[in-house]
Amino acid sequence: DAGVIQSPRHEVTEMGQEVTLRCKPISGHNSLFWYRQTMMRGLELLIYFNNNVPIDDSGMPEDRFSAKMPNASFSTLKIQPSEPRDSAVYFCASSFLGRGMAEAFFGQGTRLTVV
Amino acid sequence: SQQGEEDPQALSIQEGENATMNCSYKTSINNLQWYRQNSGRGLVHLILIRSNEREKHSGRLRVTLDTSKKSSSLLITASRAADTASYFCATDALGANNLFFGTGTRLTVIP
Repeated sequence: DAGVIQSPRHEVTEMGQEVTLRCKPISGHNSLFWYRQTMMRGLELLIYFNNNVPIDDSGMPEDRFSAKMPNASFSTLKIQPSEPRDSAVYFCASSFLGRGMAEAFFGQGTRLTVV
Repeated sequence: SQQGEEDPQALSIQEGENATMNCSYKTSINNLQWYRQNSGRGLVHLILIRSNEREKHSGRLRVTLDTSKKSSSLLITASRAADTASYFCATDALGANNLFFGTGTRLTVIP
């Protein structure tokens, strides 16, 4: 398996534009997480899915953020409209939830810059 | 918040010395995990310790867990310059079915 794959690796966009981040989890994993990392706030859990169903989106900062997981092999995180304060590195991670959460595998992240 | 807190926030040591990082958390857990992050990269899993375990070893890594104090420590022995990175603890809280990460310790190993 190639691991968790995120795209794009870098995204520069203008304020007000829509941004879509993509993630392909590891095959066989039943849990998927979206995190955001900034110097000021560290690593924040935005939302996570279990068996493609969103379980907890309380970390999503605003209604401008939305996430979907239409099937077990794909997830998107969308920001519309984007703002400069959304600039951060966004990580997707996948894991297997059995009796407890197993180790999480992270993608390389998407570095988002909103100007 | 279920988030773990690591201390120290930053640690600088000489190559060959041991590095100890601590993590405190707030809720009961299934397990606690330690991750490493090199600058600009994704996090990489290092070791997982279950709530019924007290100590675990993996190579130069030693992890302890004290559930009564809700704390864990990560010891890296005989540090190398290549160990320079940020280290995070993550808790799998009971009933939460997710992973909450701490604030991280930035370790610098000076050659």
